[in-house]
Amino acid sequence: AQSVTQLDSQVPVFEEAPVELRCNYSSSVSVYLFWYVQYPNQGLQLLLKYLSGSTLVESINGFEAEFNKSQTSFHLRKPSVHISDTAEYFCAVSETGTASKLTFGTGTRLQVTL
Amino acid sequence: NAGVTQTPKFRVLKTGQSMTLLCAQDMNHEYMYWYRQDPGMGLRLIHYSVGEGTTAKGEVPDGYNVSRLKKQNFLLGLESAAPSQTSVYFCASSYIAASGTQYFGPGTRLLVL
Repeated sequence: AQSVTQLDSQVPVFEEAPVELRCNYSSSVSVYLFWYVQYPNQGLQLLLKYLSGSTLVESINGFEAEFNKSQTSFHLRKPSVHISDTAEYFCAVSETGTASKLTFGTGTRLQVTL
Repeated sequence: NAGVTQTPKFRVLKTGQSMTLLCAQDMNHEYMYWYRQDPGMGLRLIHYSVGEGTTAKGEVPDGYNVSRLKKQNFLLGLESAAPSQTSVYFCASSYIAASGTQYFGPGTRLLVL
């Protein structure tokens, strides 16, 4: 069975500083990897995903994540954060060939301050 | 195009009462899901459906039932609510299996007293 570990429950960071949110997964088969973002009092929305091909994937708002198969990681990074990036970020994994059952990590709350 | 909608937004129940949460999507998606979100536990899958007329158990199905009589609707029922079912419930839908993006509704906050 697949599992996802997000080691940091909260990450405080100053505006314009870089940030990395860590995600490690466990699975016995090939996987698809996702980052979802949840702004306060809203549902989740997809930030970016890795399906195949280039191991570096980017979002439209400056986030990027790199799939590292040997380390079973999919860390999320942004070189310069903005106040509006304050949200909870969830890493998720689904195994290829299944009916799209996502397994989520416990989430990392990113708190950006001035 | 409303995407995924959920009703109600908030509900307070007494222990033992029943209720149904409604999820509707207008994107013609085959797959639909019900999750619950609890502090420090992320989202956990309750039940899901791979098409009209089908349902399957997820990670935490006990105490819940679901039905998918129409492709666009996915209902989550609590027959006898318990305080442990106090949570935020999210519905999601997707067009493609495994690799597909899931689109989430805004959530239903349920308090069971």
